[in-house]
Amino acid sequence: EAQVTQNPRYLITVTGKKLTVTCSQNMNHEYMSWYRQDPGLGLRQIYYSMNVEATDKGDVPEGYKVSRKEKRNFPLILESPSPNQTSLYFCASGLGQGHYGYTFGSGTRLTVV
Amino acid sequence: GQQLNQSPQSMFIQEGEDVSMNCTSSSIFNTWLWYKQDPGEGPVLLIALYKAGELTSNGRLTAQFGITRKDSFLNISASIPSDVGIYFCAGQLRAGKSTFGDGTTLTVKP
Repeated sequence: EAQVTQNPRYLITVTGKKLTVTCSQNMNHEYMSWYRQDPGLGLRQIYYSMNVEATDKGDVPEGYKVSRKEKRNFPLILESPSPNQTSLYFCASGLGQGHYGYTFGSGTRLTVV
Repeated sequence: GQQLNQSPQSMFIQEGEDVSMNCTSSSIFNTWLWYKQDPGEGPVLLIALYKAGELTSNGRLTAQFGITRKDSFLNISASIPSDVGIYFCAGQLRAGKSTFGDGTTLTVKP
């Protein structure tokens, strides 16, 4: 089944403890992206990648890191999480090549206490 | 960054009614996308629009890319209970970078 898989689905952590949210897609998509969703604020793009070793900042990149060493994987790293990073996070992938819609994962709900 | 104004914020309609929602921006976009999000799930792409003036349908859904490239609308005809959810517009000026609206929450009463 074609899908974007992100793990974990739920995570509670403490301030300052480094964490990684994994994301993998099996559709051979060129593009991948991370979003956060907060009540009343819609989805805001954190980082995106148009190919291996090519990443770019979205609208809210502060406090996050990403890497794209392989086409299928695009992990989101929080080096020192803070409570204002408590949110629902979505990974997404897109075919690119003139087709710009994204396929989204099921989300990771992160709580930082 | 660019901002999208999506309206209305919420809608309560009777089953069978038609629905219209829109998105406007102060900046131009080269691509407009419409997504639907069900509770506990990620958004699902409904329609993608790539040219100004383009009108595209997907079943009971119809969307248009505004001529000015600063707006788009989505219509749903003959609504059914499974249309319930949050509808998002998204604009892209360049490939990969998306800006989302804040969503329209649709409730359909049987």
